[in-house]
Amino acid sequence: DQQVKQNSPSLSVQEGRISILNCDYTNSMFDYFLWYKKYPAEGPTFLISISSIKDKNEDGRFTVFLNKSAKHLSLHIVPSQPGDSAVYSCAAIKGGSEKLVFGKGTKLTVNP
Amino acid sequence: NAGVTQTPKFRVLKTGQSMTLLCAQDMNHEYMYWYRQDPGMGLRLIHYSVGEGTTAKGEVPDGYNVSRLKKQNFLLGLESAAPSQTSVYFCASSYIAGPYSNQPQHFGDGTRLSIL
Repeated sequence: DQQVKQNSPSLSVQEGRISILNCDYTNSMFDYFLWYKKYPAEGPTFLISISSIKDKNEDGRFTVFLNKSAKHLSLHIVPSQPGDSAVYSCAAIKGGSEKLVFGKGTKLTVNP
Repeated sequence: NAGVTQTPKFRVLKTGQSMTLLCAQDMNHEYMYWYRQDPGMGLRLIHYSVGEGTTAKGEVPDGYNVSRLKKQNFLLGLESAAPSQTSVYFCASSYIAGPYSNQPQHFGDGTRLSIL
């Protein structure tokens, strides 16, 4: 049973445009969400996170939005750059737990 | 500035062979984790450790053993490798667990393991 779902395996956008990556979750006990970015042959790197008490967190070109009622979060990248081309994974964790639960990832391609 | 280092990067085994994957971190992190990633799937937690001398099972622990004899090292062992264990293995570490924005997990670059 997938608790964290990323239903789009891939996304392609033009350089300079907005990239929107989506993530849904089923477990209402999750109270913290993270986005990781992964380049080929490298490990995932932390990108941005959001607590369940917030609905938005911004860091430069990256913004994460959380809609708790819909159990949905999204990552916005504005403007998108070719160097942003990577696999983006959504992850969630319950308070008091050591275990991150990851989605399958979405491969983003930013075309010059 | 090594962070999390995994050894080896690639390995091919025959069914039934054993091996140990090594993870080393130089950030003085308390928590360490082993994940596997298979095509079309998200990272799945195999085992983790909340401190030196401790280990605990994750989501998919069967067929694996782990040890954390030193704080900086976390070993993943396959006693009798099976083709189903062909995967990319990632190690991660964090200072503490739980939902703290400045304490995310840091990952190594992975070990690609093929079992024939």
